[in-house]
This record gives sequence, C-alpha cells and structure tokens, in this order.
Amino acid sequence: DAGVTQTPRHEVAEKGQTIILKCEPVSGHNDLFWYRQTKIQGLELLSYFRSKSLMEDGGAFKDRFKAEMLNSSFSTLKIQPTEPKDSAVYLCASRVNTGQLYFGEGSKLTVL
Amino acid sequence: QQKVQQSPESLIVPEGGMASLNCTSSDRNVDYFWWYRQHSGKSPKMLMSIFSNGEKEEGRFTVHLNKASLHTSLHIRDSQPSDSALYLCAASNMGYKLTFGTGTSLLVDP
Repeated sequence: DAGVTQTPRHEVAEKGQTIILKCEPVSGHNDLFWYRQTKIQGLELLSYFRSKSLMEDGGAFKDRFKAEMLNSSFSTLKIQPTEPKDSAVYLCASRVNTGQLYFGEGSKLTVL
Repeated sequence: QQKVQQSPESLIVPEGGMASLNCTSSDRNVDYFWWYRQHSGKSPKMLMSIFSNGEKEEGRFTVHLNKASLHTSLHIRDSQPSDSALYLCAASNMGYKLTFGTGTSLLVDP
C-alpha cells in the first residue's frame, strides 16, 4: 500500500508569492491533518479534515493559510501571500478514525 | 489551549544505557497519549500509544501513564545509536485532533 504522498518535497518562494502544497492520504483513511514543523514551535496544527469536512482550521493560521480537500484522496494547502516566517517543513498525515497517524515525508518551504 | 510539555529538551545517553523521556498534558479532557519517533530528515513514525493507567512494554521500549496527573513517560533500555532521534509526545481527546509537544532530542553515544 502506498503511504502518504506529498509534493513538492522542496519549494523556494519569493516573499508575497502564492504556493500550493499537495497531499495524497493513504487509501481508505478518513482523517487528514496538515501540520507545520519548526525547531522552535514543533508541530503546529494547521487543518484537520474528517471525511472531507473541515473540523479544525488552526486558529492563528486562518488568514493566509487555506487547506482544501476536494475529494477523499487529495488535499491542498495554499499559502497566500508567503512571508519569510512561513519557512518550515509542512507535514501531511492521515489515519483511519482514531488510529495512529501516518505522515508523509513533508514539503520543505523556504521563503526568501 | 491544550499544551503538551516534554522534558528534557535534549538527552545524551551512552550506548547500552537507559533513556527516560517525560510528557505532560495541561488538558484534563485528554485520554490518549502517543509517542512518535522522528529520525533526522525523516517524517515522524508512531512508536507506542497508551490510554490506560499503568505500563505497556514493547521490546526495549516501555511507556507509563498516570491519568490523574496526565503524565506519560517513555523509557528505552539498552539504547542503540539507531535510537538517536527526536521523540514527540502527542495527546488527544476522544481520538480527536492530536496536539504535539516540541519533542526530546535523544543522542545515543556509541
């Protein structure tokens, strides 16, 4: 079985640009999470979907971050406009109900 | 907002030694705890989970949970260089979203 697939693995953006990160969850998983990981803040929840419905939108990340799940096998995270402080690794994870999370390899974003 | 605190921030143990990592949640509604391990440059992978008071052992790894104090600990005996990684603790309420701590960076010194 394929795991969680994230693309691109690396992205370099200029300040003010729009970037879109993509995620394909494990087939059959009904929960999908987007996290941002930095050394200082650790893993911060950006969005949480259950059966394609948005359950949590990460509060402080609402204004420039928008996650969507158009179907059960694909999700996107849009950051618009990007700022240098958005430089981080963005992790997508999926699970079945309340089971363990399976993480993708992450998308490393660098904003200049 | 729910917080998950981990200690110590970093830890060095000799090869063959015992590593002990701690984690506490500030949310009294939490009922599940998870331990994930993240090797450098890789994604986190689940190591163990616990939701009942007491102890759970899997090979060299033992997890303790005290639900009254919302404290869990992970103990690694006979530590190996391959155990060097970032250890993340996460807590959830009724299996809902997981909130992660900032992790303990473990280095096993050969």
